[in-house]
Amino acid sequence: QKEVEQNSGPLSVPEGAIASLNCTYSDRGSQSFFWYRQYSGKSPELIMFIYSNGDKEDGRFTAQLNKASQYVSLLIRDSQPSDSATYLCAVKDTGRRALTFGSGTRLQVQP
Amino acid sequence: GAVVSQHPSRVICKSGTSVKIECRSLDFQATTMFWYRQFPKQSLMLMATSNEGSKATYEQGVEKDKFLINHASLTLSTLTVTSAHPEDSSFYICSARDRMGGYTFGSGTRLTVV
Repeated sequence: QKEVEQNSGPLSVPEGAIASLNCTYSDRGSQSFFWYRQYSGKSPELIMFIYSNGDKEDGRFTAQLNKASQYVSLLIRDSQPSDSATYLCAVKDTGRRALTFGSGTRLQVQP
Repeated sequence: GAVVSQHPSRVICKSGTSVKIECRSLDFQATTMFWYRQFPKQSLMLMATSNEGSKATYEQGVEKDKFLINHASLTLSTLTVTSAHPEDSSFYICSARDRMGGYTFGSGTRLTVV
């Protein structure tokens, strides 16, 4: 079974710091990688997606993809208390139209 | 941006009854929609893929006769939980792939079966 692995956390960082969230995946042929933020009781919100090796930046967020290591990460700069949420990594596996989700990492940003 | 509208947001029903959840793509056509279920403190688990004009594709272990999916138009998919039981209580979320390649989620439906 194809898997997406995340550390459940909680990851605690002080306000203003950089939060680093990591994700590994088992399907070497995966081509699309997504990061979602989910607040308690709410639906996931797309932060960004990445297809190519390297970094992709969008505001305070940077996604990093390393296909050789089957590793994707999300960096959040200048973390704010409002960033406190569960961050879900999702992968589109080969031969499958839906996303496969990791279990999520809970981030706590301390004021 | 792409919007997926999901209703109802919250429903409480008696054991043995059926509940219908609607998912609409508001500003784009979605030939495929996805239905997920999320139990407390767990991740999203794909239940089925809804295909416009054809039968849904169910994941292993999901009972197709219990979770009825209808995708009658390019903008509407419905999930009906039939003969609901307390163990069906969960957060149900639909998703569709938008024009930009991202997967947009509905706001979710909190189902409680009493």
